[in-house]
Amino acid sequence: GAGVSQTPSNKVTEKGKYVELRCDPISGHTALYWYRQSLGQGPEFLIYFQGTGAADDSGLPNDRFFAVRPEGSVSTLKIQRTERGDSAVYLCASSLYPGTAYEQYFGPGTRLTVT
Amino acid sequence: GIQVEQSPPDLILQEGANSTLRCNFSDSVNNLQWFHQNPWGQLINLFYIPSGTKQNGRLSATTVATERYSLLYISSSQTTDSGVYFCAVGDQAGTALIFGKGTTLSVSS
Repeated sequence: GAGVSQTPSNKVTEKGKYVELRCDPISGHTALYWYRQSLGQGPEFLIYFQGTGAADDSGLPNDRFFAVRPEGSVSTLKIQRTERGDSAVYLCASSLYPGTAYEQYFGPGTRLTVT
Repeated sequence: GIQVEQSPPDLILQEGANSTLRCNFSDSVNNLQWFHQNPWGQLINLFYIPSGTKQNGRLSATTVATERYSLLYISSSQTTDSGVYFCAVGDQAGTALIFGKGTTLSVSS
């Protein structure tokens, strides 16, 4: 079956602009995660959805970052007033059920560059 | 929170060689996954192995949960094995996976 998909694959934006990154999880997966990966590092957690609600957003770095999952499937990560430090690869993952015990599957990521 | 350490940080091999990658973690886990990140950045699931031993072709993994470590074995390495290998763990208290810093493997022909 289809894996996790993310669009766009690359996004270049100017400092101060607003961006939206989209994630389509594996069909039927109830849990969805966003991670951010900086160069030379492992992915770091941003936010976690169970169904439609954000169950844990403790990893979001500040209030410029926001994410939604209105129908419990597709999710959008929104970044306002982008800064050069936001440049990174944004990864989305999904698992069949909520909770860390379940295997997570990752999308190909969106590479965000803020100039 | 839980700490994850991977070793070695870098590994250079000739094609056909075998290797062992290690992942140490600081607390009990209910999830441990090994990933291969290819040169295009895609994280490919290798093993879901919170305990026990699994094998998949030339790759195998063992997690000794009581001693808080996991090993990934790569036999008869190929150039396509090159990339970064990540270990990631989850625990009951946490929400998401915690990743190590990875091992960068370079296999030359």
